Order: sequence, then C-alpha cells, then structure tokens
Amino acid sequence: QKEVEQNSGPLSVPEGAIASLNCTYSDRGSQSFFWYRQYSGKSPELIMFIYSNGDKEDGRFTAQLNKASQYVSLLIRDSQPSDSATYLCAVKMNRDDKIIFGKGTRLHILP
Amino acid sequence: EAQVTQNPRYLITVTGKKLTVTCSQNMNHEYMSWYRQDPGLGLRQIYYSMNVEVTDKGDVPEGYKVSRKEKRNFPLILESPSPNQTSLYFCASGVWGNQPQHFGDGTRLSIL
Repeated sequence: QKEVEQNSGPLSVPEGAIASLNCTYSDRGSQSFFWYRQYSGKSPELIMFIYSNGDKEDGRFTAQLNKASQYVSLLIRDSQPSDSATYLCAVKMNRDDKIIFGKGTRLHILP
Repeated sequence: EAQVTQNPRYLITVTGKKLTVTCSQNMNHEYMSWYRQDPGLGLRQIYYSMNVEVTDKGDVPEGYKVSRKEKRNFPLILESPSPNQTSLYFCASGVWGNQPQHFGDGTRLSIL
C-alpha cells in the first residue's frame, strides 16, 4: 500500500475558481502534514503545514485535515495563473521521523 | 537572507568515483535532510538529521552516507556511485516540528 497518495493530474481550474487538491495517507498515527509547491525546474517551497483536525487558513490557502479518514487537502481560493505548479503532500510518519512525499498533483490554472 | 546552499549544482561523473555534495544553511536550523527526485517516483528522503551528530536513514539510504559534524553543514557522500544514483538531489533544513522548511536549489547528478 502506497504511504502517501495524490492524484497526479493535471488538474485544470479556471482562473478565479477554487482549486482543491487531495492527499490520503496510510499511517494512521501520523501527526504532521505538509503541502509544498514546486514550479517546474525549481525546488519545493513549503506553503502550509497542519497538525490538528479541521481547517487552517493562510491567505488564499486552506489546509484541511481529517485524521479519522486519513485525508488531507489543500484549497486555493481565487486561483491565479501563478498558482500553476505541482503540489506535493508530505506526511511525517508516526513510527519514526521519516518524511514521505506523495508524487504530486500538477495544477494548471486556465486564464 | 535565509539560504540553503548546495554544491555543485551539476555534476557528471563516472561509476565508482567517490563524490560529495555539500549542503550548508545559515538559519541555525537543527533539522536537515536529503532527498532525491526522480520522474514517476517523486521526492524520496535519503537521510535526515535532528541535530549535530544525530543522523537517521530515510526511505532510500542505500548507497549514501551523511555526516553532521556542525549544525550548518550536512554533506551527502556517494562512496561508489552507480548509474541508478543519477537523479536530482535536494537538501533541506527546518525547525518547528522538524519538517523540511527551506530547500536548496538542487544538484543534478549524472553517473555514467
């Protein structure tokens, strides 16, 4: 069973709409969850982290965590063409401190 | 300026010739880690370090070594590189819950 799963996309969203990116994980005891953005040819950038069930908002970004369902998502409101990138979900395993990344979802914002 | 600096940025070398990729951070972060990124496989953790003299294996540590003698530096050593280690490598540092916060610009290694 893959430990962190994301839909590879591409996910195409019209400019100004809400982009919804999803991630599931297998380690039920995981406590720390992260979202990174990676532009083509660049290094990943940390955009959100979340530890507790519920929503966490930062500007246009909202991370949502549901530990019972082992599901974490990232919402991007008022999507802009500059949001077009690959979004990586990462989970810190409970059994050790390893960080496991999903393979990423490619997001394309349509002007 | 907060920075994670990797060197070299690009390297083409041959099988079996020992190489070291350096990583240095100027943020006094306790946590540092190395990743490789391959098409179709995503980003995979090689080694991580919680602090000086403390290192642990990530998901794909085979064929790699690391050391953490100083807080700012975390070199990645390939004692006998092989073609399957051809990849894009990232170093990262962090604090908080020890997640990777800041990534270096990457090192593209080609092992012939």
